[in-house]
Amino acid sequence: GQQLNQSPQSMFIQEGEDVSMNCTSSSIFNTWLWYKQEPGEGPVLLIALYKAGELTSNGRLTAQFGITRKDSFLNISASIPSDVGIYFCAGQLLLASNYQLIWGAGTKLIIKP
Amino acid sequence: DSGVTQTPKHLITATGQRVTLRCSPRSGDLSVYWYQQSLDQGLQFLIQYYNGEERAKGNILERFSAQQFPDLHSELNLSSLELGDSALYFCASSGVPGRGVSTDTQYFGPGTRLTVL
Repeated sequence: GQQLNQSPQSMFIQEGEDVSMNCTSSSIFNTWLWYKQEPGEGPVLLIALYKAGELTSNGRLTAQFGITRKDSFLNISASIPSDVGIYFCAGQLLLASNYQLIWGAGTKLIIKP
Repeated sequence: DSGVTQTPKHLITATGQRVTLRCSPRSGDLSVYWYQQSLDQGLQFLIQYYNGEERAKGNILERFSAQQFPDLHSELNLSSLELGDSALYFCASSGVPGRGVSTDTQYFGPGTRLTVL
């Protein structure tokens, strides 16, 4: 089936550091989404990307839709304690006349005190 | 607040039992999705309904079933529960009327934490 490879699996960083994570696939997607999940909560949409090459920012977050449409990255600049959580990428494609989301396994962000 | 509601928030039950989880989508959304998330795991897609009809199936066990009612709320039924079914169950909704069945953006509810003892 369709798969997304999300890396890294986890990150241990110091407050103030920049963070970068990415998702790759052998499939072509028409939309990329980045979600954040905090403990005990449902995932919340951070950024949506709709066009190849698109670069979109949301505060300290920046994400890009890869030119090949097979990958995307998310950067977080100057991390702060509230950035802790699990970040999921999701790619949308058309399968059997239905748009479906394929999910990455998540990147767990931990900020060292 | 995503606008998606789920009840109950917590559920504790015993092996072999049956439970029903309920989800109300955002106002106007026609699609409902169910996900399972085990401890420290990713999101496992279970099933999608669109306007009352099943649209896509993921890794849903035969012991599990779902339905979407005319008022668009959905229920996920889990039967013959096993210890391994303990997990967070999320419902998400999407779908702006007139835009077909594009999943576009899924908005998640707060989840139901199921504990099977």
